[in-house]
Amino acid sequence: NAGVTQTPKFQVLKTGQSMTLQCAQDMNHEYMSWYRQDPGMGLRLIHYSVGAGITDQGEVPNGYNVSRSTTEDFPLRLLSAAPSQTSVYFCASSYGTGNEKLFFGSGTQLSVL
Amino acid sequence: GEDVEQSLFLSVREGDSSVINCTYTDSSSTYLYWYKQEPGAGLQLLTYIFSNMDMKQDQRLTVLLNKKDKHLSLRIADTQTGDSAIYFCAEFNQGGKLIFGQGTELSVKP
Repeated sequence: NAGVTQTPKFQVLKTGQSMTLQCAQDMNHEYMSWYRQDPGMGLRLIHYSVGAGITDQGEVPNGYNVSRSTTEDFPLRLLSAAPSQTSVYFCASSYGTGNEKLFFGSGTQLSVL
Repeated sequence: GEDVEQSLFLSVREGDSSVINCTYTDSSSTYLYWYKQEPGAGLQLLTYIFSNMDMKQDQRLTVLLNKKDKHLSLRIADTQTGDSAIYFCAEFNQGGKLIFGQGTELSVKP
């Protein structure tokens, strides 16, 4: 089982560029989410989805878009990258939307110059 | 507001016990979690406790919950070098969101 797969693992962007971070899970999980991890700040929720066709904002949604056209995929789009978006991004999924265990991808390290 | 606080660093000697502390603000939290992050990897769930419990033990791990003080702790007995990692406390609140603390970096010295 692949679990939660994130690509790419590393990415360097110039300010103003756009890109999409990919996330896919093969566990038939309804709930998927994106977090960013910054030193001393823990993980902060960017966007989440409770099922295909449904997305919602987390704590820090500005500058990011998401869509959920299938159960398996939950891409995160940076529309116009800024240095403040330099971070490590984690995708996570769980079976339901309650207290279920979250499964994390291995992360994408993004640098915006 | 929602807030989960942890100290950032803890250093122990191999074989000692480690205690990682966490405080949270949302008294309506139903579940509280401990996640472990090893270098270059995502987070993995270590253990969790339901809010109506005071204690949960799982092999070398003991979770204590003081609901009155909104304080959660993780004790690792006989700490090994393989336990070196960042440990995150998280609360699942009634808003349906999982809120993480800043993470405590545990360093285990031989």
